[in-house]
Amino acid sequence: GGIITQTPKFLIGQEGQKLTLKCQQNFNHDTMYWYRQDSGKGLRLIYYSITENDLQKGDLSEGYDASREKKSSFSLTVTSAQKNEMAVFLCASSNRLGGHAETLYFGSGTRLTVL
Amino acid sequence: QQQVRQSPQSLTVWEGETAILNCSYEDSTFDYFPWYHQFPGESPALLIAIRPVSNKKEDGRFTIFFNKREKKFSLHIADSQPGDSATYFCAPNVGDNSKLIWGLGTSLVVNP
Repeated sequence: GGIITQTPKFLIGQEGQKLTLKCQQNFNHDTMYWYRQDSGKGLRLIYYSITENDLQKGDLSEGYDASREKKSSFSLTVTSAQKNEMAVFLCASSNRLGGHAETLYFGSGTRLTVL
Repeated sequence: QQQVRQSPQSLTVWEGETAILNCSYEDSTFDYFPWYHQFPGESPALLIAIRPVSNKKEDGRFTIFFNKREKKFSLHIADSQPGDSATYFCAPNVGDNSKLIWGLGTSLVVNP
């Protein structure tokens, strides 16, 4: 088995601040994802990466940057935090078999609060 | 334009009943059809998945029924238990680019 570790678990920032969320996985998975989940809502894809140094934009990439410098880690930067950004940010990873993503495994999330 | 639609948005059943959750999609290139569940305060986790080589997949009390012609797949939870109370997401896979398309979820409550 493996684990996905997200840090920090809770992040409090000021409006306009640049904030970085980190994610590490030891599954040796190829693909990693960042999702945003607002309270009581579904998952919206921000960025994903199918291999080291690859970045693919999701539907919600505006206002975010991402970095995949190593296979095991994937970081997300909120470039200028906004009050409507308070949400849980979920990191996930998966393997690719025959070119298709298999099971996604999720971290426990980073809960962002913007003051 | 929403490519994946889940219904109902919320569902309440009594313990022992069968809960039926539905997912419809538009993209005919989808070829992997998973259901994830998410308990309050936790992250989503894979529950069960099907590939279109089969119309049915069972795992204990959980069954997926797949209808390729109508572009629908449903999750049936037999003998529902209060511990099944969660939000259920369908998230079919788009071709070979690893990008799952998530539905908005069905919130299931099982009353004892």
